[in-house]
Amino acid sequence: GQQVMQIPQYQHVQEGEDFTTYCNSSTTLSNIQWYKQRPGGHPVFLIQLVKSGEVKKQKRLTFQFGEAKKNSSLHITATQTTDVGTYFCAAKLHSGNTGKLIFGQGTTLQVKP
Amino acid sequence: GAVVSQHPSWVICKSGTSVKIECRSLDFQATTMFWYRQFPKQSLMLMATSNEGSKATYEQGVEKDKFLINHASLTLSTLTVTSAHPEDSSFYICSARDWDRGSYEQYFGPGTRLTVT
Repeated sequence: GQQVMQIPQYQHVQEGEDFTTYCNSSTTLSNIQWYKQRPGGHPVFLIQLVKSGEVKKQKRLTFQFGEAKKNSSLHITATQTTDVGTYFCAAKLHSGNTGKLIFGQGTTLQVKP
Repeated sequence: GAVVSQHPSWVICKSGTSVKIECRSLDFQATTMFWYRQFPKQSLMLMATSNEGSKATYEQGVEKDKFLINHASLTLSTLTVTSAHPEDSSFYICSARDWDRGSYEQYFGPGTRLTVT
């Protein structure tokens, strides 16, 4: 079936270091969303990317959508302990209205103070 | 923002029994809700799309007779795990979109942790 691959699975960084997670698909995506799940919590929406080559920023977070709309990345500059959690990309494969999302495997970020 | 609630937040049941999980959109109407299952340290796996007033659409490999979904109103969807077995133990999460506001983000419920003994 359709898959969305996300790497790395885990990342341990020292507070202040940067962090990047990557999401890849073999097929062209309609759009891609990013979610953050804190330990013991539920996913919380961060952002949606729709256009080819789109770049969006939220404070220290930078989201990119590839030109071919097959990959995406989330980059965090100067990580803080509050950034700890699992980051998921979630792709919408088709332009229909069902809203169905396929989630990547997630990248769990640990930040050492 | 839109709020989705789930009940119960956790449940322990004996093997062979059935468990019902409720998902409610508290401040918006949701014609479509989604049910996911998440095993420890794994991703969210979409189980089914719940449609108000019609049958749910199940993902490949998900047994529709085992995971009964009923979307009886615009604010409530239920997932019933029938004849539960220990391998059904998981974190079940529902989500919904607020279509009326044109919002594309999915609002997730807090999840229900099911343990089958």
